[in-house]
Amino acid sequence: LAKTTQPISMDSYEGQEVNITCSHNNIATNDYITWYQQFPSQGPRFIIQGYKTKVTNEVASLFIPADRKSSTLSLPRVSLSDTAVYYCLVGPNSGYSTLTFGKGTMLLVSP
Amino acid sequence: DAGVIQSPRHEVTEMGQEVTLRCKPISGHNSLFWYRQTMMRGLELLIYFNNNVPIDDSGMPEDRFSAKMPNASFSTLKIQPSEPRDSAVYFCASSLRDTHSYEQYFGPGTRLTVT
Repeated sequence: LAKTTQPISMDSYEGQEVNITCSHNNIATNDYITWYQQFPSQGPRFIIQGYKTKVTNEVASLFIPADRKSSTLSLPRVSLSDTAVYYCLVGPNSGYSTLTFGKGTMLLVSP
Repeated sequence: DAGVIQSPRHEVTEMGQEVTLRCKPISGHNSLFWYRQTMMRGLELLIYFNNNVPIDDSGMPEDRFSAKMPNASFSTLKIQPSEPRDSAVYFCASSLRDTHSYEQYFGPGTRLTVT
């Protein structure tokens, strides 16, 4: 499975855009990039998944450059409730493969 | 939809006792996952079922841990005998594996404390 590297923590203020970058230098051709969010005392929640270029949903955008060796999760206009741990996962989307959760990025949004 | 249901939400037991954690996946989902989360080790996958069949149990720590899925709507994770180092939050998650998505739906977790 491709190893991922993301910052341990990030700080932001309400209303700002937050970009969390994840490095995955040894990503394989059939690997997808998936992001999860976890609030304290809750299970992780799926945010977004992509393979290349840009993916956008009602929660976030995911930017993936052509070489796919990194990806950036973009959260527009964060609020206090976006304070959470964000996990970047990379893995093949086929067969019985599973994903490995790393340490994640702890995002703290302040007023 | 009630989501993934786990019980109990909290469990406190003494070392050496048997512990059974329960999970009801989302109806229609065909994959079920058991995870364990601690501060030191993060979120670890313990075992993964597909269509009620265990596919990958390489994450199960040792023989003290066992998991079953007798039908599509119920799974258990048993620890016998329990040890203090088993203290963690245990999550159950389910997904519909037929789709091209890694979207897993997690339950609220069971916080296990072994004294």
